[in-house]
Amino acid sequence: AQKITQTQPGMFVQEKEAVTLDCTYDTSDQSYGLFWYKQPSSGEMIFLIYQGSYDEQNATEGRYSLNFQKARKSANLVISASQLGDSAMYFCAMGSENTGNQFYFGTGTSLTVIP
Amino acid sequence: SQTIHQWPATLVQPVGSPLSLECTVEGTSNPNLYWYRQAAGRGLQLLFYSIGIDQISSEVPQNLSASRPQDRQFILSSKKLLLSDSGFYLCAWSVGYGGNQPQHFGDGTRLSIL
Repeated sequence: AQKITQTQPGMFVQEKEAVTLDCTYDTSDQSYGLFWYKQPSSGEMIFLIYQGSYDEQNATEGRYSLNFQKARKSANLVISASQLGDSAMYFCAMGSENTGNQFYFGTGTSLTVIP
Repeated sequence: SQTIHQWPATLVQPVGSPLSLECTVEGTSNPNLYWYRQAAGRGLQLLFYSIGIDQISSEVPQNLSASRPQDRQFILSSKKLLLSDSGFYLCAWSVGYGGNQPQHFGDGTRLSIL
């Protein structure tokens, strides 16, 4: 069975500092994808970054990078130079060859950026 | 570019009333479509997904139903709403298979049942 675990219900970071949001996953599939989404208080889910299971390099998108450790089954999101607008809920998600079109989402981490 | 429209943004309904939430996608053909529900402060629960017209899979038994009358239109309905149907409903689309492409979400509908 597929499972996504986010163990940090809430995180705080000082503005301009970097922060790491943890995500571990469980799957027996060889081919899968890992995704991070941001959900501001307004509610929309914004896609941030994607990592494929066969990608050898960690994904990066601007200030977002994904620290992919396949052997540990972890896919942590790193946000560099935090901004006040980064305050939001962050969700990790996974889709895989045996889940077809379905994604599994974690329970989310609430990030608060402190000025 | 692809866009997804979801409406209404907010809805207040009495218990026992019907429901119809609509979602349309533009700029892509034959997308996979999804309905999720998010309770306050919680994660996403997949309700329905569709890989084509009239092809709907239900993930959670409930008094909700979904229909896909056109390729890029996905409708969430209920004949009689329950208090437990309150929540934030999100529509999403994707292409691809097996986790190789992201899902893209609409802005959501906040549904309150009185």
